[in-house]
Amino acid sequence: AQSVAQPEDQVNVAEGNPLTVKCTYSVSGNPYLFWYVQYPNRGLQFLLKYITGDNLVKGSYGFEAEFNKSQTSFHLKKPSALVSDSALYFCAVRFGGFKTIFGAGTRLFVKA
Amino acid sequence: IAGITQAPTSQILAAGRRMTLRCTQDMRHNAMYWYRQDLGLGLRLIHYSNTAGTTGKGEVPDGYSVSRANTDDFPLTLASAVPSQTSVYFCASSSGTSSYNEQFFGPGTRLTVL
Repeated sequence: AQSVAQPEDQVNVAEGNPLTVKCTYSVSGNPYLFWYVQYPNRGLQFLLKYITGDNLVKGSYGFEAEFNKSQTSFHLKKPSALVSDSALYFCAVRFGGFKTIFGAGTRLFVKA
Repeated sequence: IAGITQAPTSQILAAGRRMTLRCTQDMRHNAMYWYRQDLGLGLRLIHYSNTAGTTGKGEVPDGYSVSRANTDDFPLTLASAVPSQTSVYFCASSSGTSSYNEQFFGPGTRLTVL
């Protein structure tokens, strides 16, 4: 069965430190992988995606993600966290056109 | 450019009542989607539409219906609301249905069914 897992409900990091939000997936065939961010009382906003090519993908607000096919992972990273990065982050895998599976979400809390 | 608008922002509804959640986009996107967001479950697809005049069922379609009379509008109707339909509902769109198209989301409708 197709699935996306975000193993951490919450990630806490100090401002200025690097952050990682983890995502693993199980999809048959070649996946298209996405990260979205949700701020309070807002809809999801697209951050970045992996389609093909370079395994390191750069996106909005200084975020990047590394696609690892052997580990079926697509972890979101940022070299230096900001307090304003505090939000809910969703990993998603898209396949078969309209079908998208979202992870349960990881809440990132960046402390000043 | 507004992107995607949803109405109402929030609603409290008695069980058994009929309710239509409205969604309008101004990006001329072909594909539109309705999701529900529940704590710990992420987003789950209710219905989708590849283009005006066509709709399809997603992961959790029971109790919901949609229509796509034109490109811009994609209303979601609960014919007879039940408490388990208490959720936050998000409308989304994408320029195409290819798997590499990212989705754009509206601000959501918070629905409480009592």
